[in-house]
Amino acid sequence: IAGITQAPTSQILAAGRRMTLRCTQDMRHNAMYWYRQDLGLGLRLIHYSNTAGTTGKGEVPDGYSVSRANTDDFPLTLASAVPSQTSVYFCASKNAGPTGELFFGEGSRLTVL
Amino acid sequence: AQSVTQLGSHVSVSEGALVLLRCNYSSSVPPYLFWYVQYPNQGLQLLLKYTTGATLVKGINGFEAEFKKSETSFHLTKPSAHMSDAAEYFCAVSGYSSASKIIFGSGTRLSIRP
Repeated sequence: IAGITQAPTSQILAAGRRMTLRCTQDMRHNAMYWYRQDLGLGLRLIHYSNTAGTTGKGEVPDGYSVSRANTDDFPLTLASAVPSQTSVYFCASKNAGPTGELFFGEGSRLTVL
Repeated sequence: AQSVTQLGSHVSVSEGALVLLRCNYSSSVPPYLFWYVQYPNQGLQLLLKYTTGATLVKGINGFEAEFKKSETSFHLTKPSAHMSDAAEYFCAVSGYSSASKIIFGSGTRLSIRP
């Protein structure tokens, strides 16, 4: 089934540890995004990539990094996790253009202790 | 810069009653507007979108929204609520550029009373 796959679905992590959330899409979409979802704050954009080889910062990029080596993969890395990064993380993708529909993964629930 | 404000973090209606979820946007250029729905423990999925043309947009599951430029609003409505409509609803805005990011509101949780 075509779509977005995120891994892991859930993870508990000690503060200070490094963590990479994986995201893979098989729809050949140009643009990919990482959002975090927190109660009362909705979805906030962390980083995005409009095409393979390029990335950009969103609303809340501090403490996170991304790479886009190819069209399909867009991993999100927390270099040194902190408790405020406890959240549900969603990866999304869409075709180029501002009117395209965003397709979301199932989310990765991360708890930093 | 674009932004979205959703009025009411939680809305509760009776089954069969009108659903009205409010969204106001701020944009320096004519926006593209979206409503997404999130069912429990799932990702978001598109409900409807406004790009150009007719200002009344119909979506899935009987929902519709009207773009009102003078009021900078894009409220979501459904004439008769169903128990299966219970979910979190997000309004979102995007600019004209192909590089524009989609910015989401804080969400409104819709509960349906039997």
